[in-house]
Amino acid sequence: DAGVTQSPTHLIKTRGQQVTLRCSPKSGHDTVSWYQQALGQGPQFIFQYYEEEERQRGNFPDRFSGHQFPNYSSELNVNALLLGDSALYLCASRKGGSPYEQYFGPGTRLTVT
Amino acid sequence: AQSVAQPEDQVNVAEGNPLTVKCTYSVSGNPYLFWYVQYPNRGLQFLLKYITGDNLVKGSYGFEAEFNKSQTSFHLKKPSALVSDSALYFCAVRDHSSGTYKYIFGTGTRLKVLA
Repeated sequence: DAGVTQSPTHLIKTRGQQVTLRCSPKSGHDTVSWYQQALGQGPQFIFQYYEEEERQRGNFPDRFSGHQFPNYSSELNVNALLLGDSALYLCASRKGGSPYEQYFGPGTRLTVT
Repeated sequence: AQSVAQPEDQVNVAEGNPLTVKCTYSVSGNPYLFWYVQYPNRGLQFLLKYITGDNLVKGSYGFEAEFNKSQTSFHLKKPSALVSDSALYFCAVRDHSSGTYKYIFGTGTRLKVLA
């Protein structure tokens, strides 16, 4: 049973560029959340997708957007990259309606130069 | 507002000794509390959770945590530390107010187990 997978593993972009990160949830899970983890910090909630809709959003600007596909996989898009967007981006999935733990992917390390 | 605090940036312990990593929380309503571990360049791995029931929760890799409602704490413990336990540990609480299962994480505690 594959867990949460993310691609790519690492990414280097230049300021002003756009980036797309991808996530496949654990089998049987239908809810996907994205988190940003800056160096030395705890993960910060970006947004959550369920039934292909954004259900809630954290304190992140509109440059951060997402999408969920019918197969429950998800994308995180970041436009007009800033140096401060450099971080580990984590995807987490769970089964909708479950109050229990989320399962996290290994993350995508984004470096903006 | 829901929050968690991990008051120690780093905890050092000798191999074989008991370890404790501290976490306190602030939530409205009943707390759903979690511990995760992160190894270098890896995502977060689930260790254990408290939803309801016994205050002592047992989890993966020999870890356990004690829920204390009066002290609003959820400290992570292990009777005998291993060098391989050295990692970054995060406490998290589910944000009930949002209704959408958003996690709020602490800032993390780095555990160093010395041989």
